[in-house]
Amino acid sequence: GAVVSQHPSRVICKSGTSVKIECRSLDFQATTMFWYRQFPKQSLMLMATSNEGSKATYEQGVEKDKFLINHASLTLSTLTVTSAHPEDSSFYICSANGGNNEQFFGPGTRLTVL
Amino acid sequence: GQSLEQPSEVTAVEGAIVQINCTYQTSGFYGLSWYQQHDGGAPTFLSYNALDGLEETGRFSSFLSRSDSYGYLLLQELQMKDSASYFCAVRDPYNTDKLIFGTGTRLQVFP
Repeated sequence: GAVVSQHPSRVICKSGTSVKIECRSLDFQATTMFWYRQFPKQSLMLMATSNEGSKATYEQGVEKDKFLINHASLTLSTLTVTSAHPEDSSFYICSANGGNNEQFFGPGTRLTVL
Repeated sequence: GQSLEQPSEVTAVEGAIVQINCTYQTSGFYGLSWYQQHDGGAPTFLSYNALDGLEETGRFSSFLSRSDSYGYLLLQELQMKDSASYFCAVRDPYNTDKLIFGTGTRLQVFP
């Protein structure tokens, strides 16, 4: 199946700093990617849809100025958590649609804000 | 809106069979998918049902009843490595590229 990578896998930062997470489709092109957030023992909550060459579409309740998404190429989407606070600590996962009704997920990024 | 309900936790022993249920409410239906996620890992695709009935893939099978808005994942010959969270998911009827996930079921397999 298709491979999606994320970097970094784990990041610890101080409150007030910004953190950038990269999501890459390694062996296919993805015009659309998705960003999810997952708190411990909870489900995946879609944050936004990243569209190559255009603005991201954010889900209701997600602050677009706090979670900046850039999809500059067909293989790369980035999520920047700006002015991070402890409540932003979570597991962030990206994905892209493959064929056969399957969505391929990256390995996730564990963000801890101190 | 769309919602998918699952039992929060299921336990079983190695070699047993377990069924994880999913009931959904959606204004438009484009099939039911199942994903497995180990702790700290990425969700991985298990199965997809567009039509009623049972789909079998090795030890895992998935069932769908559209008239009941219900599906289940059946895991047979359980192994310790099957301990994970399992999520059902449907496509957002307003944007079928998007997946909406169920509440998730944590399966613990004991020796």
